[in-house]
Amino acid sequence: NAGVMQNPRHLVRRRGQEARLRCSPMKGHSHVYWYRQLPEEGLKFMVYLQKENIIDESGMPKERFSAEFPKEGPSILRIQQVVRGDSAAYFCASSDRERPYEQYFGPGTRLTVT
Amino acid sequence: QKEVEQNSGPLSVPEGAIASLNCTYSDRGSQSFFWYRQYSGKSPELIMFIYSNGDKEDGRFTAQLNKASQYVSLLIRDSQPSDSATYLCAVNINDYKLSFGAGTTVTVRA
Repeated sequence: NAGVMQNPRHLVRRRGQEARLRCSPMKGHSHVYWYRQLPEEGLKFMVYLQKENIIDESGMPKERFSAEFPKEGPSILRIQQVVRGDSAAYFCASSDRERPYEQYFGPGTRLTVT
Repeated sequence: QKEVEQNSGPLSVPEGAIASLNCTYSDRGSQSFFWYRQYSGKSPELIMFIYSNGDKEDGRFTAQLNKASQYVSLLIRDSQPSDSATYLCAVNINDYKLSFGAGTTVTVRA
């Protein structure tokens, strides 16, 4: 499967727990983007990463959220001490270096906080 | 003013008709424009991109761009029930960041 991969597809967490979302970019892509989609709302940019570098995290809440894209392995979006308002679909997209604006999305992780 | 605005819909068209989706954007510096299709409960799928003024055709889809009017549209010809989805317009606001509209839901009636 050469597409963007995300896991888990569904994640249920209780308030206060941690959520870890993983994303492996499309083959040949080195740029990863995380977006959040709340019910009845559009996609909102959260963070843009390249290997071992956070390029732009301007869309990510300052507290409880962090992201990384290590030299080896998938990109990880981490949400600490989750609250009900974190319930959403989290999508990862990837692009190549030449056309960073042409972004292809993974299947998403649907996070439910109970 | 929102960066990207789409007609709110929902848009209902009979099978075989043309569905017309509109999108306006606020940043005159935007150079790249995208249409994504999102089925309910699924992820957005890139179906068209356009960078130059004019029309771009791909199968039953035609994207139209008018930078002077800050307007981009998507036409779906010979609409099929499988085209029933939410269509998201996206515009670049810098080299990598995309701003998305809220989407227009299209229903194709058999």
